[in-house]
Amino acid sequence: ILNVEQSPQSLHVQEGDSTNFTCSFPSSNFYALHWYRWETAKSPEALFVMTLNGDEKKKGRISATLNTKEGYSYLYIKGSQPEDSATYLCAFYNTGNQFYFGTGTSLTVIP
Amino acid sequence: EADIYQTPRYLVIGTGKKITLECSQTMGHDKMYWYQQDPGMELHLIHYSYGVNSTEKGDLSSESTVSRIRTEHFPLTLESARPSHTSQYLCASSGFTGTGANVLTFGAGSRLTVL
Repeated sequence: ILNVEQSPQSLHVQEGDSTNFTCSFPSSNFYALHWYRWETAKSPEALFVMTLNGDEKKKGRISATLNTKEGYSYLYIKGSQPEDSATYLCAFYNTGNQFYFGTGTSLTVIP
Repeated sequence: EADIYQTPRYLVIGTGKKITLECSQTMGHDKMYWYQQDPGMELHLIHYSYGVNSTEKGDLSSESTVSRIRTEHFPLTLESARPSHTSQYLCASSGFTGTGANVLTFGAGSRLTVL
């Protein structure tokens, strides 16, 4: 089982604060890095898929960057809102067509 | 609108019972997966299928079995449930997007409690 690490494990921020999380993954056999958002009682939903070193993706107030050489990705949320409260999962997709997930970062945005 | 359906969402049963967790998808995806997640832990792959009549075990050993007789249907069965099987089970399928990325679509999960 490959080691995919996410930090922090949980985070509480005030509404309006900006925040960021980290996902670390093996730099070998890399194919893609996925970010999913998982709200309570719902299904995880894909946020971003990044494949190239230096990739940056943005969706509204959420953005992500990728460094495949050193094996990390950052997820940023600008001006957090209560509806951003969720668990954010990253998944390393390797050249063997397998997904490996981190334990997630649980974000709570306090109104 | 969900494209992948899991039932039941919640199940509490006694030890020794046989259970089947249902998973169906309407997207025509060839690849389907079952993940198990315990609280505070990562999703672990327990079974996957790359198409009809194809099933493989994942990285995490599981006493459950799966079948893939139809593309859209990937049920998971436990012949004799035990308390150690208490967990959340997530079904997913994957297909390629317009950008060529292989993205997972998840069901809402089945939370199993074995007493």
